[in-house]
Amino acid sequence: DSGVTQTPKHLITATGQRVTLRCSPRSGDLSVYWYQQSLDQGLQFLIQYYNGEERAKGNILERFSAQQFPDLHSELNLSSLELGDSALYFCASSPFGADTQYFGPGTRLTVL
Amino acid sequence: GDSVTQMEGPVTLSEEAFLTINCTYTATGYPSLFWYVQYPGEGLQLLLKATKADDKGSNKGFEATYRKETTSFHLEKGSVQVSDSAVYFCALKGSSASKIIFGSGTRLSIRP
Repeated sequence: DSGVTQTPKHLITATGQRVTLRCSPRSGDLSVYWYQQSLDQGLQFLIQYYNGEERAKGNILERFSAQQFPDLHSELNLSSLELGDSALYFCASSPFGADTQYFGPGTRLTVL
Repeated sequence: GDSVTQMEGPVTLSEEAFLTINCTYTATGYPSLFWYVQYPGEGLQLLLKATKADDKGSNKGFEATYRKETTSFHLEKGSVQVSDSAVYFCALKGSSASKIIFGSGTRLSIRP
């Protein structure tokens, strides 16, 4: 158990809908990262937040957005969902300045 | 840009066999190198890491040595067990980067 929690574990929705994925980092970690794991693209970095501020952006679509709240939990919002958005979405956290990122169990999103 | 190339799978071995999963990387500067493991139905777990040239990371009988001259970080284990069946990801994080860059993953299956 990495100490990173993600909810929900599974999410099934329809095209065009909007969903919110939630992540709670390890106690004391200020950085939160979001990654997408899909069969065709592999594991790809989406976005990083540090202590409430966006720090780095990767291959995140404009239909996706994220935020980190004062209690340090983070939410990833996915809107206008398409079939190709079906994937496993991971959240990770790390202490300030550390290289190692600790991953949560993931949320499996299925868009029908 | 930075990238990781790892051995294509799947790899199938008998219990107690010797394991090598090859990984090479391209990066500027001195990245940190990681092996993550994903057991069936679970999230990513950090298996081991190395942060500088000639460092050896080890955990649970697995080892990998950071070879700057060959830009490699091959994963080895002397005697695999059925419980080692999983997908293994080689990864790097650049010294000034936020994100971790992952290889495509190698699926390992161990026969009893």
